[in-house]
Amino acid sequence: AQKVTQAQTEISVVEKEDVTLDCVYETRDTTYYLFWYKQPPSGELVFLIRRNSFDEQNEISGRYSWNFQKSTSSFNFTITASQVVDSAVYFCALSVRTGTASKLTFGTGTRLQVTL
Amino acid sequence: EAGVTQFPSHSVIEKGQTVTLRCDPISGHDNLYWYRRVMGKEIKFLLHFVKESKQDESGMPNNRFLAERTGGTYSTLKVQPAELEDSGVYFCASSQRTDYNEQFFGPGTRLTVL
Repeated sequence: AQKVTQAQTEISVVEKEDVTLDCVYETRDTTYYLFWYKQPPSGELVFLIRRNSFDEQNEISGRYSWNFQKSTSSFNFTITASQVVDSAVYFCALSVRTGTASKLTFGTGTRLQVTL
Repeated sequence: EAGVTQFPSHSVIEKGQTVTLRCDPISGHDNLYWYRRVMGKEIKFLLHFVKESKQDESGMPNNRFLAERTGGTYSTLKVQPAELEDSGVYFCASSQRTDYNEQFFGPGTRLTVL
């Protein structure tokens, strides 16, 4: 069975601070994908990134960066110089292939509050 | 291009009543998923359609939940009769391919059962 743990329930930072959201996953499959989604106040889940299990290169996209470490089963997300618009709930998710299906297993989410 | 849409955005019903949620996926997406988030908990998978066929319904909680996708376009999720523990946010997602493709989510339907 798959499991995703986001131990941080809520984080509050002041604008321009850097913040890291932790994600730890469990799976026995050797082939899998990891995702991060953002849920702004409007409610929809916005796709941020997908990473496959064979690619441990870190990724940077603007102020966002992701650190994937198979040795610790972690896929952490860092926002540099946070902004008020980054305030949202962030979900980490894991997908493994089961036959012809590939459902997402989510963590409980981390609520990020960025204040001025 | 229109995203995934869900209707209604919010539904409040009494225990024992019936509610039907609707999801319109992105045009051309054969894969359609339903998920549910109960207050403060993780988002949990309910089921997966490929076109009109149920590919995986292992997450459906019980037989009070019925999902359909006639014609392989929009999908409905009916809860009959609703119970208090059914309250939560129901998300629909769609994807073009099945294999690890990112799923595009709708805004969700917030269901409150009183």
